[in-house]
Amino acid sequence: GAGVSQTPSNKVTEKGKYVELRCDPISGHTALYWYRQSLGQGPEFLIYFQGTGAADDSGLPNDRFFAVRPEGSVSTLKIQRTERGDSAVYLCASSKTGYGYTFGSGTRLTVV
Amino acid sequence: SQKIEQNSEALNIQEGKTATLTCNYTNYSPAYLQWYRQDPGRGPVFLLLIRENEKEKRKERLKVTFDTTLKQSLFHITASQPADSATYLCAPPAGGGADGLTFGKGTHLIIQP
Repeated sequence: GAGVSQTPSNKVTEKGKYVELRCDPISGHTALYWYRQSLGQGPEFLIYFQGTGAADDSGLPNDRFFAVRPEGSVSTLKIQRTERGDSAVYLCASSKTGYGYTFGSGTRLTVV
Repeated sequence: SQKIEQNSEALNIQEGKTATLTCNYTNYSPAYLQWYRQDPGRGPVFLLLIRENEKEKRKERLKVTFDTTLKQSLFHITASQPADSATYLCAPPAGGGADGLTFGKGTHLIIQP
């Protein structure tokens, strides 16, 4: 597609529930990144994929967070047993060269 | 640990003047640094990348400098316009062998007509 697409744009879930956030990167971009942004803060790195494999998942806060990219294009970020502290905007970005990321508009997750 | 600092206060500039935003980093030496613009409710948009061996980079009304001695990057917008109002994020690579970028908190720039 022309840009990075993230769905849903907004997600409200109850504490303890499971959520999935989807990212559709720019076609041909092998690098895909997930970031999390809280109000008034810069984006915080979560995980980086090069192709199908997670090349760096050091930013995932705990084992409730998991991400996949089975075919090297679309990626899904999965959060189990959501907590109120998980509320944030989750941003996905893709890149062809590893420089100059193209970001999606994000998914605003609210855990109530 | 690595730290990125940007002006935390909003920066108010009169239209037509030059806006200068500062990014300071400590405890590491990035090989390059990127600048992004972010509007409310949107993801960041890539503007410029400057490498450690480049003193200055320009793109239209934008200019970025990179001083590895001072551990500082300056981002300038000349002939500023109200449409330049946004949050500007400084982003060097994470360092320490990690992938991805480390973003500063950003500086909220307001260009007043």
